[in-house]
Amino acid sequence: DADVTQTPRNRITKTGKRIMLECSQTKGHDRMYWYRQDPGLGLRLIYYSFDVKDINKGEISDGYSVSRQAQAKFSLSLESAIPNQTALYFCATSDDSRDTGELFFGEGSRLTVL
Amino acid sequence: GQNIDQPTEMTATEGAIVQINCTYQTSGFNGLFWYQQHAGEAPTFLSYNVLDGLEEKGRFSSFLSRSKGYSYLLLKELQMKDSASYLCAVMDSNYQLIWGAGTKLIIKP
Repeated sequence: DADVTQTPRNRITKTGKRIMLECSQTKGHDRMYWYRQDPGLGLRLIYYSFDVKDINKGEISDGYSVSRQAQAKFSLSLESAIPNQTALYFCATSDDSRDTGELFFGEGSRLTVL
Repeated sequence: GQNIDQPTEMTATEGAIVQINCTYQTSGFNGLFWYQQHAGEAPTFLSYNVLDGLEEKGRFSSFLSRSKGYSYLLLKELQMKDSASYLCAVMDSNYQLIWGAGTKLIIKP
């Protein structure tokens, strides 16, 4: 089983619908992240959390919200989806005890907003 | 603004050597990362450089020159499974990762 699991893996929805992407991890890491990836662009950070009580906005947080329900779970919500939120979304974790800051990614959630 | 530049696409032959360049302009520097991403899959960590010089790890090596804002990833003895996108990312002074758009590497027999 994957150490970082995302659900759903694929989702097609309509404009205006509320969508939640869920992420759970078994790595025991405190730090969790949500990124989106679009063709021709680098990964862009949406939100990140360094522990359950710490939530921070990233580069492109508008239109998104998050919830850190436990150390192992970090959910991303789109309150009212719009077509330009069509993208591949990745959850990632990191171990803050390591100097390298290596990220461990989930398998991705492909979201299409019609 | 902060910027990471890397070629969009490169083609190489199986068994050969390829060098993927990355130049960066960021607010501060706390390390440079290379990740590999196969089509439709998650990125996976390849290397981390924080000091100038070459880091070798099997068939893959990564080089950093902080004064030039430059890094490269060197892949030797190319295999078909090396066909993937290679992502360069820099950690800035706020310990945030700034990502390049990635270089798609195509390996031909």
